[in-house]
Amino acid sequence: GGIITQTPKFLIGQEGQKLTLKCQQNFNHDTMYWYRQDSGKGLRLIYYSITENDLQKGDLSEGYDASREKKSSFSLTVTSAQKNEMAVFLCASSIDNNSDYTFGSGTRLLVI
Amino acid sequence: QQKVQQSPESLSVPEGGMASFNCTSSDRNFQYFWWYRQHSGEGPKALMSIFSDGDKKEGRFTAHLNKASLHVSLHIRDSQPSDSALYFCAASSSGTYQRFGTGTKLQVVP
Repeated sequence: GGIITQTPKFLIGQEGQKLTLKCQQNFNHDTMYWYRQDSGKGLRLIYYSITENDLQKGDLSEGYDASREKKSSFSLTVTSAQKNEMAVFLCASSIDNNSDYTFGSGTRLLVI
Repeated sequence: QQKVQQSPESLSVPEGGMASFNCTSSDRNFQYFWWYRQHSGEGPKALMSIFSDGDKKEGRFTAHLNKASLHVSLHIRDSQPSDSALYFCAASSSGTYQRFGTGTKLQVVP
């Protein structure tokens, strides 16, 4: 079986700081995703990528950058962290958009 | 605008009881639907997918899809305390990413 790993598990940043979250999968999945989970708002897509070096914007891409350096890894950058921001960032991968997504366990972000 | 709406927000059922979740989408292009479950501290895990009208049963879980009304439901019979989790509905149209609802929190009381 494969695994999808997110690092770090917890991230505390300061207002205005640039923060990078990383995700690795060994399923050999083509498509990878970054979702943000806020309490009461469900999961909202930030970016996704259908192959190496591809990037597609989701519903919540403003304030974020992403990079698909190779097929197995997908990183997300918060360009300027906002104070009092608290959310869980979930990485996922799948064969394609119409297949089950496999999620990592998340990176919990707190900005002080 | 939330394209996938779920109800109820939370649900409490006795152990051994039936838990039912509802999901309605506002986009008529949605053709593919999923149910995911998320336990505390973990990422969501896919429970079931349903792409055709009617029922789909997997063990204690039954999903029902009505594309004409853009409604999908999930029913869990013989609910167990380990079923206590957050349940998400997700929907997509061909070639697009899955859009998730806001979730229903299930508590199964022993």
